[in-house]
Amino acid sequence: AQSVTQLDSQVPVFEEAPVELRCNYSSSVSVYLFWYVQYPNQGLQLLLKYLSGSTLVKGINGFEAEFNKSQTSFHLRKPSVHISDTAEYFCAVSELKGYQKVTFGTGTKLQVIP
Amino acid sequence: DTEVTQTPKHLVMGMTNKKSLKCEQHMGHRAMYWYKQKAKKPPELMFVYSYEKLSINESVPSRFSPECPNSSLLNLHLHALQPEDSALYLCASSQPQGRTDTQYFGPGTRLTVL
Repeated sequence: AQSVTQLDSQVPVFEEAPVELRCNYSSSVSVYLFWYVQYPNQGLQLLLKYLSGSTLVKGINGFEAEFNKSQTSFHLRKPSVHISDTAEYFCAVSELKGYQKVTFGTGTKLQVIP
Repeated sequence: DTEVTQTPKHLVMGMTNKKSLKCEQHMGHRAMYWYKQKAKKPPELMFVYSYEKLSINESVPSRFSPECPNSSLLNLHLHALQPEDSALYLCASSQPQGRTDTQYFGPGTRLTVL
C-alpha cells in the first residue's frame, strides 16, 4: 500500500519570499509522484509530476520539486511567491490496482501575505 | 487540449429531488473517475470507468448512480440525497491502467443538499 504525508496543513509566507511545501511518501513499488494545486472553488490542476529520470522536476507557474529516494520525499519549492499562489496544494502518488489509483495527501494551504 | 468540463457549476437540490451531474472530455482518455471532496479534505474516489465499463465502486451508497454513455461522457445521477452529501464533486480522466498517466480534473460541481 502507498501513502502520502503532508505534515504542514498551513504555510504562511510573505509575498516574494521563497517557499517549500513538504511531502513524504511510502511505497513498496516504483513511485510516480504528482503535485496538484486547487484554487478556491475550483478543481485540481496538475503542477508537475515525477515519473522517472531527472530528480529535479520543473512545473508550471515557476514551481519545481525534487524527488529524493533515500529520504522518500518530493518537496515542492518556489523561489518567489506571488499573491496568486494562495491555494491548496496536494501531493499524490499513483499505483496500479487494475486501474490508476491515486492516493492524495491531506493538503497544504499556502497563504501568501502581502 | 487537457480540458475536462463539468456541468452544472453549482447545484442546489432537496432530498426528494432527482438530478444529474455531467462530465465531458475530448482527450481520447478511456478511464474516467468521480471523486467527492469535502471542505479542507483531499478528494475521495467514488467510481472508476474503464473503457466505458464500471470497474470500481468504492462502496458508494446507491443514491449515487454513475453512467458512462460513451467514451467522452460521464454522468452521475443523484436521487434521495442527504445533507451530508453536500460537497464538491470532481470528474477526472486519464488513460486506463497506466500508472504513469496523469489524471486531469474538471472544475467540479458544488452540490448543496437541503
